[in-house]
Amino acid sequence: QPQLQESGPGLVKPSETLSLTCTVSGGSITSSSFYWGWIRQPPGKGLEWIGNIYYSGTTFYNPSLKSRVTISEDTSKNQFSLKLNSVTAADTAVYYCARLRWSGWYGDYWGQGTLVTVSS
Amino acid sequence: QSALTQPASVSGSPGQSITISCTGTSGDISGYNYVSWYQQHPGKAPKLMIYDVSNRPSGVSNRFSGSKSGNTASLTISGLQAEDEADYYCGSYAGSHVVFGGGTKLTVL
Repeated sequence: QPQLQESGPGLVKPSETLSLTCTVSGGSITSSSFYWGWIRQPPGKGLEWIGNIYYSGTTFYNPSLKSRVTISEDTSKNQFSLKLNSVTAADTAVYYCARLRWSGWYGDYWGQGTLVTVSS
Repeated sequence: QSALTQPASVSGSPGQSITISCTGTSGDISGYNYVSWYQQHPGKAPKLMIYDVSNRPSGVSNRFSGSKSGNTASLTISGLQAEDEADYYCGSYAGSHVVFGGGTKLTVL
């Protein structure tokens, strides 16, 4: 069973770039059976899909965030990363990384989540 | 505003059955058989309960079942137990992106 762990700063200033990394153990991100994705949840609110990356490097993004988001991978470290630029207080959320099945894009394994607060 | 519509809350007594609805459009729920349901306890990550409309991952109780009719998907929990009290989210593939419902808080009375 894979384990996913998010890491990165818990506090980001407005207008700066939020950067998070997800380290995967117990499975390879180069598997063709899965996407690797980011989902966020503002405090007290619902889930919002941010985007996915496939082992080939192909990415898919939420249309509402597409202009600010970049997801990349480092297969040598079995990690994938999220960058969200020009952040505002509305980007304050718990950020989860997850393994998504190739068919249907549902998350079968999730990280524990990390709270990122946007504040000066 | 979420892309999929769920009731904000439902409740039931131990042993009873409840159903949570999730309404979308032809661009998501009725367009694909890729509806999923997640359970989330406070402070925890979501847990996959149902995928591909009605399939249960290994280890998920058969008290949880899913279905779909037209633009609406449903999650039914039978034989309610105290530990079922949680937030439940539906999700759907929507053609190169994913949409979620706003979540439903289940209270076990």
